[in-house]
This record gives sequence, C-alpha cells and structure tokens, in this order.
Amino acid sequence: SQTIHQWPATLVQPVGSPLSLECTVEGTSNPNLYWYRQAAGRGLQLLFYSVGIGQISSEVPQNLSASRPQDRQFILSSKKLLLSDSGFYLCAWSQEGNQPQHFGDGTRLSIL
Amino acid sequence: AQSVAQPEDQVNVAEGNPLTVKCTYSVSGNPYLFWYVQYPNRGLQFLLKYITGDNLVKGSYGFEAEFNKSQTSFHLKKPSALVSDSALYFCAVRDPNTGFQKLVFGTGTRLLVSP
Repeated sequence: SQTIHQWPATLVQPVGSPLSLECTVEGTSNPNLYWYRQAAGRGLQLLFYSVGIGQISSEVPQNLSASRPQDRQFILSSKKLLLSDSGFYLCAWSQEGNQPQHFGDGTRLSIL
Repeated sequence: AQSVAQPEDQVNVAEGNPLTVKCTYSVSGNPYLFWYVQYPNRGLQFLLKYITGDNLVKGSYGFEAEFNKSQTSFHLKKPSALVSDSALYFCAVRDPNTGFQKLVFGTGTRLLVSP
C-alpha cells in the first residue's frame, strides 16, 4: 500500500533562518505531489505542485520554493524565514485521473 | 474558477443523532467532489468522492454524501453520530476540465458530537 511521510513533525525556527521540509511517498510511482499551508487550523492554501521530477509549479508568490529531486521526494525550502511563514505545512500525493489526494501528517512550523 | 462554500463554522450534534455537514460548489462543468476529515495535528484523511453515477455516495466510517446537481450541493451525512466523529471536515471540488488536478477546499466545518 502507499504511504506518505513528512518530517519533521514540529519545527521552531528563528526569523531569517533557512528551511527545509521533506516529503516522501512509498508504494507508487510518478505521483503528482503537492505542498499546502494551513493557517489557524482552517483553510488550505496550495503552495506548489509537481507532475514530475524537476517540474514545479507555484500557485502563489512567496518566500518559499519547492524542488523534486527524485520521483517520490518533494522538498519545501526557504533561504530566510519570515514570521508570516508560520503555519501547518501539508504534503499530499495523487495519481492521475479522478483519484483523491492523500495527505501526510504535516509539519507545524513556528517562527520566533 | 471553481469554488466551495461550507456555510457552517461548527455543527453540534448529540451522539446517536443523524448529522449533516453542508457543502455547495461552483464549477463550470461537471464536478469531481471530495470530503476529507482532519483530526488535531494530523493531515487530511479522504472520506469519499463523487465522480459520476449514483448521487448517493458511501464512504469510510459510515459516512455518505448526496450529490445534488440542481442545488450544486454535496452534503455529508451520517445516520448516527459518534463522539469520535468530532473533527474538522473539508469539502473539496475539482473541475475536470482543467489541465491539472487542482483541488479547491472549503474553509472547513468543525463537528462536535456530545455524549
């Protein structure tokens, strides 16, 4: 069966520090991959999506970037974190067609 | 562009009673519709989807949803609520005419089931 892993589960970083969040998927190949941010335990904002290695699309301009160095690996990064980058970051995957997205357990990021 | 509305911030129901969580959508074509549940500090879990066919869709944990095209609604239902159903519920829509599987999520409805 397919599984998705995100780490770390929680992270506290100072303003201006770099960021790297990692997401990996097992048990499937060539998935579509997504990064979301959830603010205040409510709505989800799609940040990035990827349909293949090295193919990244950004949904909103921001302080973050994403990369997909391997088929089942998706990384969210920042060179310098802002206070506004705090939130709950969720990675998800899906297959093509009418299949649902499946989510990891998220990383709670706090910026001090 | 597609959109989803969940008009209720919170729904309160007593254990054993039926529950309904409302969702309305807007897309240009025939929608793909999804319901997800989120427990505290966890990711979203897929409950059920409507793609085509029977308007009543059955999903995980005894949940079901009814697709109503004329009312552009996709309400989530369960005949008998459990305290363990208390969680945050999200409706999502995808326009299959778009070139990518972008889901648009509602703002979520918190379900509180009291013993």
